[in-house]
Amino acid sequence: DAMVIQNPRYQVTQFGKPVTLSCSQTLNHNVMYWYQQKSSQAPKLLFHYYDKDFNNEADTPDNFQSRRPNTSFCFLDIRSPGLGDAAMYLCATSRDEGTGLEKLFFGSGTQLSVL
Amino acid sequence: QQQVKQSPQSLIVQKGGISIINCAYENTAFDYFPWYQQFPGKGPALLIAIRPDVSEKKEGRFTISFNKSAKQFSLHIMDSQPGDSATYFCAASLSGSARQLTFGSGTQLTVLP
Repeated sequence: DAMVIQNPRYQVTQFGKPVTLSCSQTLNHNVMYWYQQKSSQAPKLLFHYYDKDFNNEADTPDNFQSRRPNTSFCFLDIRSPGLGDAAMYLCATSRDEGTGLEKLFFGSGTQLSVL
Repeated sequence: QQQVKQSPQSLIVQKGGISIINCAYENTAFDYFPWYQQFPGKGPALLIAIRPDVSEKKEGRFTISFNKSAKQFSLHIMDSQPGDSATYFCAASLSGSARQLTFGSGTQLTVLP
C-alpha cells in the first residue's frame, strides 16, 4: 500500500545531541511537511517542501532543519535538542493539483524523548 | 484571524449516542474545512471535508454541518461506537491548500461501551 513511513517509531536522545528523523513516501506527492505535536495539542507545522522549495514557518526555531534529497525522502534534523523539543514529530504529504481539495496524508509519527 | 476555535476539549458519549464537536473561525477567506481523526500513537487521517458552498455533507455516520453566516461548522457522529474513540481536529484552509491549513485545538472523544 502506498503510504508515508516514518522511522524510527521511538527515538531517545540526550540533551544537546543532534538527532535526525526520517520520512519516506510511496505516494509520489510533491509536497512534504514536518509537524510537531505535543501531548493533547494540535499538530504544529514546522516547515514544508513544495517540490525542492523549502518553506519555513516564521516561528520555527533555527534549531530545526530539514532536507529533502529526492521526491520520496525527507529528513528532520534537530541540531541541539532541548527538553522542550520532546514531542511527536509527524511527517505528512499532499499533492498540489490545484483542485482546492487537498488532503494531508500523515505517517504514524516518531515519538522523540530528550533525556 | 487565522485561528480556528474548537470545542469541547473532551467529550464522553454513550455507545449509540450522538457526538457533536463544534468549530468557529474568523477568516472569511477560508474555503475548505476538513476534519481529521487521530487514534493514539497514529498520525491524523482525513475523515470528512466540506466546502462553504454547501450547508451539510454526510458520509456514513459522520455529518458536517456548515453555517457560513455564523462562521461555524460542526461534526456530528451518529450512533457513536467505542471504535470512534479518538481525537478529532477541525481545520480550515485558504484556497483549499494543505499548505495553508489551520488546525483547531482538538477534541478527545470517548465512547463508552
